[in-house]
Amino acid sequence: SAVISQKPSRDICQRGTSLTIQCQVDSQVTMMFWYRQQPGQSLTLIATANQGSEATYESGFVIDKFPISRPNLTFSTLTVSNMSPEDSSIYLCSVREGLNQPQHFGDGTRLSIL
Amino acid sequence: DQQVKQNSPSLSVQEGRISILNCDYTNSMFDYFLWYKKYPAEGPTFLISISSIKDKNEDGRFTVFLNKSAKHLSLHIVPSQPGDSAVYFCAASAQSNYQLIWGAGTKLIIKP
Repeated sequence: SAVISQKPSRDICQRGTSLTIQCQVDSQVTMMFWYRQQPGQSLTLIATANQGSEATYESGFVIDKFPISRPNLTFSTLTVSNMSPEDSSIYLCSVREGLNQPQHFGDGTRLSIL
Repeated sequence: DQQVKQNSPSLSVQEGRISILNCDYTNSMFDYFLWYKKYPAEGPTFLISISSIKDKNEDGRFTVFLNKSAKHLSLHIVPSQPGDSAVYFCAASAQSNYQLIWGAGTKLIIKP
């Protein structure tokens, strides 16, 4: 299965600032996803990162707040913009190589906003 | 509308005994089901999956059972070990969709 590296692994940020999270995969993958896991909650899909085009956002998530880039089939970034304490979460990058295949996850970025 | 439900937030099992985690779904279009394990400081780790054409899949200590008529699946872990203490997520997808739909998770605690 694909090996997924996510950076940074954790960060503490000031309110109003922005942070970009990087996701690098060791092989070309069709589908890349960004998730959020808030404390004590399940995984919530933020968006599907599409190679060469705009990401597809889920209800409740917008491009201005969570801009995503995917310049090629092995790399994507998620930016959390104008952060507030409510954005304190674990952000997870995930890939899926095909239908009837599992998704695989990076170790996540634990983000705390003061 | 929760399409995938894990109704037990937590489960405590004696080491060496069987752990049974349950998951229910509502969408009859789901045809691929997965179980993941998650430790606090890591991303979810894929454990085992099952296609809707099967009713059982086994991998070592882990077995997943699928009851399509009841829209229910379960994960059996036997024997349970201390390292199995984690949060377990059930997920499902439909053939036409790459997205996974996730349950809320069940925290499994293995007691010595």
